[in-house]
Amino acid sequence: RKEVEQDPGPFNVPEGATVAFNCTYSNSASQSFFWYRQDCRKEPKLLMSVYSSGNEDGRFTAQLNRASQYISLLIRDSKLSDSATYLCVVRDNTDKLIFGTGTRLQVFP
Amino acid sequence: DTAVSQTPKYLVTQMGNDKSIKCEQNLGHDTMYWYKQDSKKFLKIMFSYNNKELIINETVPNRFSPKSPDKAHLNLHINSLELGDSAVYFCASAKQGWGETQYFGPGTRLLVL
Repeated sequence: RKEVEQDPGPFNVPEGATVAFNCTYSNSASQSFFWYRQDCRKEPKLLMSVYSSGNEDGRFTAQLNRASQYISLLIRDSKLSDSATYLCVVRDNTDKLIFGTGTRLQVFP
Repeated sequence: DTAVSQTPKYLVTQMGNDKSIKCEQNLGHDTMYWYKQDSKKFLKIMFSYNNKELIINETVPNRFSPKSPDKAHLNLHINSLELGDSAVYFCASAKQGWGETQYFGPGTRLLVL
């Protein structure tokens, strides 16, 4: 079983749609959780950290369920510029960042 | 201003050759990393250095040797390149350890023929 699992997609959605990505992690002792965004042929960039109480940044909402070892990212009112791969990232109890393989999002006009 | 830079951006070489990739960060960070992203887009840590000292070596073949001449630079030397080494190699840096946000370089696309 992979340490961080994501649905690879692609998710093809029209502009303005709401889309949700899910992620599960295997190490219950994981410390911190993040969503990174990676555009085609570019480097990953931090989108947002994920806190236990859930957190929002504009159109993006992240949720964490430690009991189920599950992380989600919700994007509202999708824009064309949201098209990218979204990487679920977990910092494990040895302090390493473990990356999921990413979920690809394609927003069309 | 480029925060984390890598050279070269592209590297095409023959099996058996030795090559180096350079990384520099101008953010004043203490910790630097090398990651490998394979053809399936799986991004995996290879090495971590903190203040020029090796912290993590993730079961990487000893053909890969990182070198940190100072805390702003972390280079990666690869001996006897193999087909399976073809990947994108990303350098990253963070202010102090894993808890901080990591900033990635633009990547070096290595193709071994």
